[in-house]
Amino acid sequence: GDSVTQMEGPVTLSEEAFLTINCTYTATGYPSLFWYVQYPGEGLQLLLKATKADDKGSNKGFEATYRKETTSFHLEKGSVQVSDSAVYFCALKAGANNLFFGTGTRLTVIP
Amino acid sequence: KAGVTQTPRYLIKTRGQQVTLSCSPISGHRSVSWYQQTPGQGLQFLFEYFSETQRNKGNFPGRFSGRQFSNSRSEMNVSTLELGDSALYLCASSLESTPSYEQYFGPGTRLTVT
Repeated sequence: GDSVTQMEGPVTLSEEAFLTINCTYTATGYPSLFWYVQYPGEGLQLLLKATKADDKGSNKGFEATYRKETTSFHLEKGSVQVSDSAVYFCALKAGANNLFFGTGTRLTVIP
Repeated sequence: KAGVTQTPRYLIKTRGQQVTLSCSPISGHRSVSWYQQTPGQGLQFLFEYFSETQRNKGNFPGRFSGRQFSNSRSEMNVSTLELGDSALYLCASSLESTPSYEQYFGPGTRLTVT
């Protein structure tokens, strides 16, 4: 079945450090891939998406490239800020309009 | 444009009771999906409604049910509550019921079952 495997956390980085959160997936067909972010006490916010192979999603300095050959969608940011501290979820949709989520990665950025 | 709203935001119930949660989608969105978030199981899909019809259902017992009204607002109901139903229940809306459309989430209803 469809599934997402996400890098275990928590991740703690200093401000301005480089961020990578790994995400790989298993799906039939050609899924759409997403990264969502959840701030404390809030719902999920869509961070970026990619709908086909080699697409790059980007938003607020975050990027992720849809790699079909490695079934991956790793999240990257060149310079993290304290305000980026949150839980990040990788997710996919394949065939039907429901999301399969990874387990989430908690990021803490310290000044 | 207003986002997805969910009411109530917090709820405390006792085992055996039932509960109804409400979700108002973004104006113009016709698909509403529900998810359960728990520390142990993470985010799991409950069901999706589109044009008042259930389109898709996750792997949850029949105690979990939902419906959608003609104005696209949706409710979910959990009967005979169990301690394990304590969770954050998230509603998401999208324009259409196809995978390429983004889902926008509400703030959630935190249900505590005692």
